[in-house]
Amino acid sequence: AQKITQTQPGMFVQEKEAVTLDCTYDTSDQSYGLFWYKQPSSGEMIFLIYQGSYDEQNATEGRYSLNFQKARKSANLVISASQLGDSAMYFCAMREGRYGGATNKLIFGTGTLLAVQP
Amino acid sequence: GAVVSQHPSWVICKSGTSVKIECRSLDFQATTMFWYRQFPKQSLMLMATSNEGSKATYEQGVEKDKFLINHASLTLSTLTVTSAHPEDSSFYICSTVAERLRAGSYEQYFGPGTRLTVT
Repeated sequence: AQKITQTQPGMFVQEKEAVTLDCTYDTSDQSYGLFWYKQPSSGEMIFLIYQGSYDEQNATEGRYSLNFQKARKSANLVISASQLGDSAMYFCAMREGRYGGATNKLIFGTGTLLAVQP
Repeated sequence: GAVVSQHPSWVICKSGTSVKIECRSLDFQATTMFWYRQFPKQSLMLMATSNEGSKATYEQGVEKDKFLINHASLTLSTLTVTSAHPEDSSFYICSTVAERLRAGSYEQYFGPGTRLTVT
C-alpha cells in the first residue's frame, strides 16, 4: 500500500529566506505522481507543483521547486524567498498510476504547518 | 479562476437530518470526482471515488449507506450525509482531475470545501 510521510508537523522560517518541507513516500508502483498542495486557513486546497515518477528533471513553479530523489523516495518542497502569505498548511500527496479513472485518487501526508516570520 | 465549485460552503444541521453537498466542475467535464473529509488539524482522507453514470467506489471504513454519492452528469457530483450525527461534523472537499496545458502534466483541482456542523 502506498504511504506518504511528512515528519515536520510545524516549521518556522524568516521572511525572504528559503525553506524545505520534507516528504517521503512508499509505493511498489513504477508509475506515480507526487503533488504538493497549500491549504491556508480558509480551507481551500491550492495546487503548487507536480512531479511525475518518470520526469528526469525536478519540477519548478515560480518560487516552488521539488527536490525529487527517486532512489531515496523523497519529494521535498523548496520555497524560495518566503513571503508572509506563504504561512499555511502544506500537504504532500501521491497518486499511483497514469492519468485516467479511479487510479487518480490522491493519498495525503499529515501536513506541515509553515509559519513565516517577519 | 476556480475550476471546481462546491455548495454550500458551510452548513449547520440538526442531528438526524440529511445534508446534500454539491460539487461542480466548471468549464470541463469530469468523469471522475473524489470526495475527501478533513477533521480539524488533520489530513485529507479519501472517502469515495465518484464515477459518472455508475456506482461510487468507497474506501474501506466508509459507510456507503450513510454517505450517498450521486454522479448524474459530467459536471455534477453530490454527497448526501444521511441521518447526520455530531461526529460527522467535518470539512468535506471534492476534487477532480484536469489536464494542464503543458503536455505530460496535470493537476487535481479541489473545490473550496464545505464545512458541516451537526448539532
